[in-house]
Amino acid sequence: GQNIDQPTEMTATEGAIVQINCTYQTSGFNGLFWYQQHAGEAPTFLSYNVLDGLEEKGRFSSFLSRSKGYSYLLLKELQMKDSASYLCAVMDSNYQLIWGAGTKLIIKP
Amino acid sequence: GAVVSQHPSWVICKSGTSVKIECRSLDFQATTMFWYRQFPKQSLMLMATSNEGSKATYEQGVEKDKFLINHASLTLSTLTVTSAHPEDSSFYICSARGTGDSYEQYFGPGTRLTVT
Repeated sequence: GQNIDQPTEMTATEGAIVQINCTYQTSGFNGLFWYQQHAGEAPTFLSYNVLDGLEEKGRFSSFLSRSKGYSYLLLKELQMKDSASYLCAVMDSNYQLIWGAGTKLIIKP
Repeated sequence: GAVVSQHPSWVICKSGTSVKIECRSLDFQATTMFWYRQFPKQSLMLMATSNEGSKATYEQGVEKDKFLINHASLTLSTLTVTSAHPEDSSFYICSARGTGDSYEQYFGPGTRLTVT
């Protein structure tokens, strides 16, 4: 079956760095997405990786290793507004998004 | 660019009635639209995928006669929850994918449905 695993919850301190991991097993691979979702709101796009390596976009970076079925989202200089759920999603061979359950990130002052 | 709107943003209805939710791509043409449902503290669950001008493809376990989807144009898809029951209360989110090479999905703001 298809499976996306990510931690349920993480806690970090304002100004620090946090890494949210995601491992996946899917039927085919056409890219991995990271989305941010604040409570009661729809997800917003953060990043897309289809090739191995690190993609940096401001304070957020996303890494992919296709051979390991592994990705991480790295958030630097954490701000209180970064408190949200972070969703990992993999596009399978049918170009359907398979969603992880999300990681709730709690930022403490 | 790539804005998706949903209407209404929230709705309360009585059990047994039907509710229609609209999803519009405001500044791009969406050949494919997706409807998701999300219960509290759970991840997104894909309900169905709709392509403009054709019947929607429903995920396993989703009743197509209960959740009617119409994708009549490249900018509008509707989801009608028929004979709603309290267990249908949820956060319904649509997303749209454009006609280009990008497979990114652009999400609407969601509709919170409460059935009393």
